Amino acid sequence: SQTIHQWPATLVQPVGSPLSLECTVEGTSNPNLYWYRQAAGRGLQLLFYSVGIGQISSEVPQNLSASRPQDRQFILSSKKLLLSDSGFYLCAWSVRGGRIIYGYTFGSGTRLTVV
Amino acid sequence: QKEVEQNSGPLSVPEGAIASLNCTYSDRVSQSFFWYRQYSGKSPELIMSIYSNGDKEDGRFTAQLNKASQYVSLLIRDSQPSDSATYLCAVYFQGNTPLVFGKGTRLSVIA
Repeated sequence: SQTIHQWPATLVQPVGSPLSLECTVEGTSNPNLYWYRQAAGRGLQLLFYSVGIGQISSEVPQNLSASRPQDRQFILSSKKLLLSDSGFYLCAWSVRGGRIIYGYTFGSGTRLTVV
Repeated sequence: QKEVEQNSGPLSVPEGAIASLNCTYSDRVSQSFFWYRQYSGKSPELIMSIYSNGDKEDGRFTAQLNKASQYVSLLIRDSQPSDSATYLCAVYFQGNTPLVFGKGTRLSVIA
């Protein structure tokens, strides 16, 4: 069966520090991968998505970046965190294909607090 | 721009009642529709998917789709306090594009 792993679960970082969040998927090949952020009490904001190794689409211009060095690995990074980067970061995967028929499966999330 | 709209709530229903959650979307070419449940502090969990007009039932959950009206709903029968959560509607529109999520409706089931 397919599983998605996200770590760390919680993170407290000072303003201006770097960030690296990692997500890996097991039990499937060639998944589409996604990074979302959810601010407190708000909806899901799509940050990045990837349909293959090295292929990253950015939805929101900001101080975050994403990389996909391997087929089932997706990394979210920042060189200098801002207070506004605080939130609940979620990685998700879906079966690759034109039409999304199985929905997304989300990881357990990382709660980031920038202080 | 593709949009998915939901009433933010909170929607309060007594235990045992039917909870009705609604979602509208902006584009008639939409093909797949999903309902996610998100407990406070947790990640969203897929509970229903629907692709064709009409009703789809799974246990206490029924998803209803009306493409002509661009409307999808989720009914929860015999609501339980454990159903208290935020329910997210998500729509796949077309092409190789990500799902578009609504902001969610917070449901509170009162014992």
